[in-house]
Amino acid sequence: DVKVTQSSRYLVKRTGEKVFLECVQDMDHENMFWYRQDPGLGLRLIYFSYDVKMKEKGDIPEGYSVSREKKERFSLILESASTNQTSMYLCASSSPGQGGFQPQHFGDGTRLSIL
Amino acid sequence: LAKTTQPISMDSYEGQEVNITCSHNNIATNDYITWYQQFPSQGPRFIIQGYKTKVTNEVASLFIPADRKSSTLSLPRVSLSDTAVYYCLVGLYSGAGSYQLTFGKGTKLSVIP
Repeated sequence: DVKVTQSSRYLVKRTGEKVFLECVQDMDHENMFWYRQDPGLGLRLIYFSYDVKMKEKGDIPEGYSVSREKKERFSLILESASTNQTSMYLCASSSPGQGGFQPQHFGDGTRLSIL
Repeated sequence: LAKTTQPISMDSYEGQEVNITCSHNNIATNDYITWYQQFPSQGPRFIIQGYKTKVTNEVASLFIPADRKSSTLSLPRVSLSDTAVYYCLVGLYSGAGSYQLTFGKGTKLSVIP
């Protein structure tokens, strides 16, 4: 089974801190994604990466950056955390499946609280 | 990007068939439709995917009419363990760096004994 592991289930940080969320997948997938999930808003794509060192903005990239130095690891960075970034963050991975959509495999999320 | 609309919630009794519809009026020609299931404190899990007509697997069926402006996830004979949030995703991967996808806001299904 595909395993996507997020480093923390719960995280509490303070406003202005630099926050790192880590994600590791074990299936050699090319594509990796970061979403945030908020009540009533569903899942919204922050960034995705289709190869090492390659990244593309999603729908809500403001206030975030990402890093992908190794194929299996995709990091989400909150440069200066703010209270409106309190949310559930989900990481996912998939193989490319050009012309269609390969299923995305999700981690169990990191619930981040910014105080 | 396609905009997706789903009912916020649905209730069903155990043993019944449940149909959850997702509207995606401006779906693009090459978009695929995917459904995910999410339990509390877990990430979404893939259920089924289709492009047109009907797709069936061991857990669900997906019906897509000819105009593709909506899709219906069908869960046969639901049990209490099917209580979850179900998300519709419309999107396409067309090559390196080219992902376009839109998740619906999710439908909370409650199965009643």
